[in-house]
Amino acid sequence: AQSVAQPEDQVNVAEGNPLTVKCTYSVSGNPYLFWYVQYPNRGLQFLLKYITGDNLVKGSYGFEAEFNKSQTSFHLKKPSALVSDSALYFCAVREIANTGNQFYFGTGTSLTVIP
Amino acid sequence: GAVVSQHPSRVICKSGTSVKIECRSLDFQATTMFWYRQFPKKSLMLMATSNEGSKATYEQGVEKDKFLINHASLTLSTLTVTSAHPEDSSFYICSATGGYSNQPQHFGDGTRLSIL
Repeated sequence: AQSVAQPEDQVNVAEGNPLTVKCTYSVSGNPYLFWYVQYPNRGLQFLLKYITGDNLVKGSYGFEAEFNKSQTSFHLKKPSALVSDSALYFCAVREIANTGNQFYFGTGTSLTVIP
Repeated sequence: GAVVSQHPSRVICKSGTSVKIECRSLDFQATTMFWYRQFPKKSLMLMATSNEGSKATYEQGVEKDKFLINHASLTLSTLTVTSAHPEDSSFYICSATGGYSNQPQHFGDGTRLSIL
């Protein structure tokens, strides 16, 4: 069965410091992995995805994520956090061999960047 | 980039009213659309998946007669909450994806439904 885990409900980081939002996944085959950000009372915005190729994927707003197959992780990172990065972050997975269209989302991590 | 428009953004209505929410893909053909409900503690609950021209597939525990989903075209899906009650108050979000499995879902901005 496919699943995604975001082990941290809340992450706090000081402005200017690097940030990491963790995600681990479980699929029986190879995964497509996605990160989304949600601002209050808005839908989710696509940040980046890993399909194949380089394990380090760069996305919007200076975010990047590293695919680690051995650890089945896809942590979201940014070298220097901004106050405006404060939002809710969701990791999602889709199994490549899955003929259906369903994505599996994590439970979300609330990021607060402290000025 | 791909844009999904969801309307209305906010609805306040009396108990017993039926409410229709529209989800449109503006610049791509959405072969599949998803409807989610988001609870105050933030988790997303997938309600149903709909493919254009076919009946929606509902997740376990979601009443199909209560939450009517129509996906009549490649750019439009609607969710109708029938005879809404206060417990149906929530944030409903739609998303859409095209025909390739490596494409992300693109989300609407959500609808805040408040039933009095």
